[in-house]
Amino acid sequence: SQTIHQWPATLVQPVGSPLSLECTVEGTSNPNLYWYRQAAGRGLQLLFYSVGIGQISSEVPQNLSASRPQDRQFILSSKKLLLSDSGFYLCAWSGGGDQPQHFGDGTRLSIL
Amino acid sequence: GQQVMQIPQYQHVQEGEDFTTYCNSSTTLSNIQWYKQRPGGHPVFLIQLVKSGEVKKQKRLTFQFGEAKKNSSLHITATQTTDVGTYFCADFTDKLIFGTGTRLQVFP
Repeated sequence: SQTIHQWPATLVQPVGSPLSLECTVEGTSNPNLYWYRQAAGRGLQLLFYSVGIGQISSEVPQNLSASRPQDRQFILSSKKLLLSDSGFYLCAWSGGGDQPQHFGDGTRLSIL
Repeated sequence: GQQVMQIPQYQHVQEGEDFTTYCNSSTTLSNIQWYKQRPGGHPVFLIQLVKSGEVKKQKRLTFQFGEAKKNSSLHITATQTTDVGTYFCADFTDKLIFGTGTRLQVFP
């Protein structure tokens, strides 16, 4: 069966520090991969999605970037974090098209 | 761009009461998916609706897609404390656009 792993579960970072969040999927090949951000008590905002290795689509201009160095690995990065980057970051995968998305457990990021 | 709104934003019910959340879009909906997010957890896929007027049931949950594909609803009959969480609808066109969510609290 397919599983999705996301780490770390929580992270506290100072303003201006770099960020790297990693997400890996097991049990499937060539998945569509997604990064979402969820502010406290709010909906999900799509940040990036990828349909294949090295293919990244950005939905919202910001100081975050994403990379997909391997088929089942998706990384969210920032060179300098802002206070507004705080939130709950969720990675998800799907089989493509309109197939349901399956989410990881998320990373709670707090910027001090 | 497309906006998917849900009402109400919050709903508090007594255990055993019914609950309904409504999903509306500024444009015609293509393919509706419903997700549930427990407090502190991640969204979990519940169901997908594709056809105009479609109705699907999962035990106490009934999902409907409007005839004109402009809205969708989720109805829970006789809520239980395990139903607590935030319910999101999401419309898929070329990507998934999530609604604003309805947070359900159930008091025993």
